[in-house]
Amino acid sequence: GAVVSQHPSWVICKSGTSVKIECRSLDFQATTMFWYRQFPKQSLMLMATSNEGSKATYEQGVEKDKFLINHASLTLSTLTVTSAHPEDSSFYICSARAGIDTGELFFGEGSRLTVL
Amino acid sequence: KNQVEQSPQSLIILEGKNCTLQCNYTVSPFSNLRWYKQDTGRGPVSLTIMTFSENTKSNGRYTATLDADTKQSSLHITASQLSDSASYICVVTRLNTGGFKTIFGAGTRLFVKA
Repeated sequence: GAVVSQHPSWVICKSGTSVKIECRSLDFQATTMFWYRQFPKQSLMLMATSNEGSKATYEQGVEKDKFLINHASLTLSTLTVTSAHPEDSSFYICSARAGIDTGELFFGEGSRLTVL
Repeated sequence: KNQVEQSPQSLIILEGKNCTLQCNYTVSPFSNLRWYKQDTGRGPVSLTIMTFSENTKSNGRYTATLDADTKQSSLHITASQLSDSASYICVVTRLNTGGFKTIFGAGTRLFVKA
């Protein structure tokens, strides 16, 4: 099946630094990728929709200047958490839509961000 | 309003027992429904995908059912194993002129105890 790779799987950073997370579709092209945030014992929360070659669409309440999304190619989307603070510590997951007919989503393994 | 509701919120069962998770949705127009398994600290992995015309689909010990008339789906797990402990997420996709839109359920946390 389709594979989506996320990197890094975990990262620890100091408060005030920026962190970039990559999401790659390994065996298919994805014009649309999605970024989610997940707090412990809670469900996935959609943050933004990443569109190749155009600006990302952010969900209400998500700061676009805080969470920069770039989708420069059909196989890569990046999420940059700028000036990270401890409250940004979370599990970030990406997904890519692979099924043209079904709109099926394939998820990355997730990235655990800890901001000290 | 397009919503997906799952029940129970959490469930504890003994190893070897069967269980059934429920998913009710109000999503329209309906395209497909998927069940995902998410282990703690990992990304969700697809178990089954069902379209409007499908009633039952199996994947090993997992069997999903879909009643498009009542807008209900269930995921049945037989002979549970410790490794089945995870969150199970019901995801419904709608398709309209704007394209695909995915609505997530809150998930059911399953704990399988020895």
